[in-house]
This record gives sequence, structure tokens and C-alpha cells, in this order.
Amino acid sequence: DTGVSQDPRHKITKRGQNVTFRCDPISEHNRLYWYRQTLGQGPEFLTYFQNEAQLEKSRLLSDRFSAERPKGSFSTLEIQRTEQGDSAMYLCASSPPGQPGNTIYFGEGSWLTVV
Amino acid sequence: KNEVEQSPQNLTAQEGEFITINCSYSVGISALHWLQQHPGGGIVSLFMLSSGKKKHGRLIATINIQEKHSSLHITASHPRDSAVYICAVGSRNNDMRFGAGTRLTVKP
Repeated sequence: DTGVSQDPRHKITKRGQNVTFRCDPISEHNRLYWYRQTLGQGPEFLTYFQNEAQLEKSRLLSDRFSAERPKGSFSTLEIQRTEQGDSAMYLCASSPPGQPGNTIYFGEGSWLTVV
Repeated sequence: KNEVEQSPQNLTAQEGEFITINCSYSVGISALHWLQQHPGGGIVSLFMLSSGKKKHGRLIATINIQEKHSSLHITASHPRDSAVYICAVGSRNNDMRFGAGTRLTVKP
């Protein structure tokens, strides 16, 4: 399967712990996106990479959140000192080079529950 | 006001009915996407539109750039079409803005 893969798919953590999610985009996709989705809502944009450069960050991405894409391939999203409000599904997506708005491919998401 | 508004929020239909979901947006866009999300979270891209109309099987998507409005139509709906349908706009800044989704239930 050469789709966007995310790991882990589910994570339960205690408040205050750090968690890290990994996203492997479709190979040769230079654009990678992170979104957060809470129940009953559409996804919200968190951050965007073009190759290894983080080009845009949402105001939603507080200081406790950090995302990296060191080699322009896989990306990690780390949440430090988790809070119950961080409970959500974290979606990764990638798209190929070309004009903005190219077809975008989503991963299955990583569910985070903070207890 | 959200940048992307969808209506209705919830929709229940009988099998075979023609279904329309609407999306209005207020930002400049490079493309509009219709996405399908099943329980469990997986999102599948159905259409990407920058103008006009696209058709794929029983699904039809239209966009009116001047009116900043798009519709997703499902003909001869089937219970397996039950899902959340999300409208998303790709902005010129490369990020995407999503509607809250329309939860569709098709009853046999």
C-alpha cells in the first residue's frame, strides 16, 4: 500500500505526558499537511510543509505543539504536556508537486485520547 | 462566520433518492475538494474542482466561482453512501479550510 500512513492509529495518554505521531506521505509528494479533527467537526489546519520547510503554522498550534519534517519525507507531530483538550484525531495528508490545490491524499488519522 | 459553510448538517434519505449537499465559501481559493469520511476517520477525496462540473459514477460536483458556491449531488442513493461529506477549499496559501461536514444517512 503506497498511501499516506500514520502511526500510531490510537494513543491513550495521561495528562501531562508527551506524545509523538508520525506520518509517512506518499513518496514524491513534496507537500505534507497536519490537521486536527474533533468529534462532529471538520478538520482544522495545523501546519504545512513543502519538502523540509515548514511554511505555515496555524494559531491553533500552541507552543506545546511542534512538527518536523527533517529530510523532506516523513513528518512527526509532537505534543508536549498534553491536556484533555488535545484529545482529537490528528490527520496527515500529502499532495504532489504542482499548483496549490492539487489532489490531496489523507492518512487514516491518529486518534489521541488524553485522560 | 466560518470560511466554509455546508448545508445541511445532517441529512437522512431513503434509498434511491437524489441528494444535494451545498457548500459556500468566503475566501479566495485555488480549488475546492469534496471529501468523504467514513466512521473510523478515513478520508477519501471524491472530487477536486476549480471550475464547472465533474461526474464520477453516481456522484456529480459543481462549482460556481463567481457565487463561491459548490454542490455535491448523489443520484440513486444507496445505504453504502452513508458517510460524512466534507467540503474543503484549497487557498492560494496552500493550506486548506474545511466545512464542518454533512452527515448523510441513507436508509434501505
